[in-house]
Amino acid sequence: AQSVSQHNHHVILSEAASLELGCNYSYGGTVNLFWYVQYPGQHLQLLLKYFSGDPLVKGIKGFEAEFIKSKFSFNLRKPSVQWSDTAEYFCAVTNTNAGKSTFGDGTTLTVKP
Amino acid sequence: KAGVTQTPRYLIKTRGQQVTLSCSPISGHRSVSWYQQTPGQGLQFLFEYFSETQRNKGNFPGRFSGRQFSNSRSEMNVSTLELGDSALYLCASSQKDTNEQFFGPGTRLTVL
Repeated sequence: AQSVSQHNHHVILSEAASLELGCNYSYGGTVNLFWYVQYPGQHLQLLLKYFSGDPLVKGIKGFEAEFIKSKFSFNLRKPSVQWSDTAEYFCAVTNTNAGKSTFGDGTTLTVKP
Repeated sequence: KAGVTQTPRYLIKTRGQQVTLSCSPISGHRSVSWYQQTPGQGLQFLFEYFSETQRNKGNFPGRFSGRQFSNSRSEMNVSTLELGDSALYLCASSQKDTNEQFFGPGTRLTVL
């Protein structure tokens, strides 16, 4: 069974600090990888995605993620966070065989102004 | 394009009752997935429909069921409600099951 693990449940940073949120998955086959974000009071929305090609993908608002196949990881990064990045972040994996999606438990990011 | 819509937005039910939630996907999207979101459990996958067929199912009891209509709209039903069913139920649509998903605002269900 596929699973997704997000290492940090709650991260607190000051503005301008760098961010890295860990995501590891377990599934031996081909996957599509996603990061979603849920800002307070808003819908879940896509931050970035990886299907194939360059393992370093760039998303909205200056976020990027790197797919490391050998480590089954897809960590999210941002060089300098802003107060407006305060949100909950979810890593998700879709098994391209069965089309089934699995989400991590989420990481709550709080950015202090 | 209009986004994913879910109705109702809020529901209060008592134990033992049943409930039906509705989801209208983005026009042209044929895949609809349902998730249960709770503070302690994150997003738990319920099921996924594509062209009126359930293709994937999560680890939920048979009290949770769903269906999809020919216009891709989907409904989710929970029978014999339990206190633990209180959660935010999210619907997401996508063009293909492996593509990114577009989420609705959710239905907040409270079971008393």
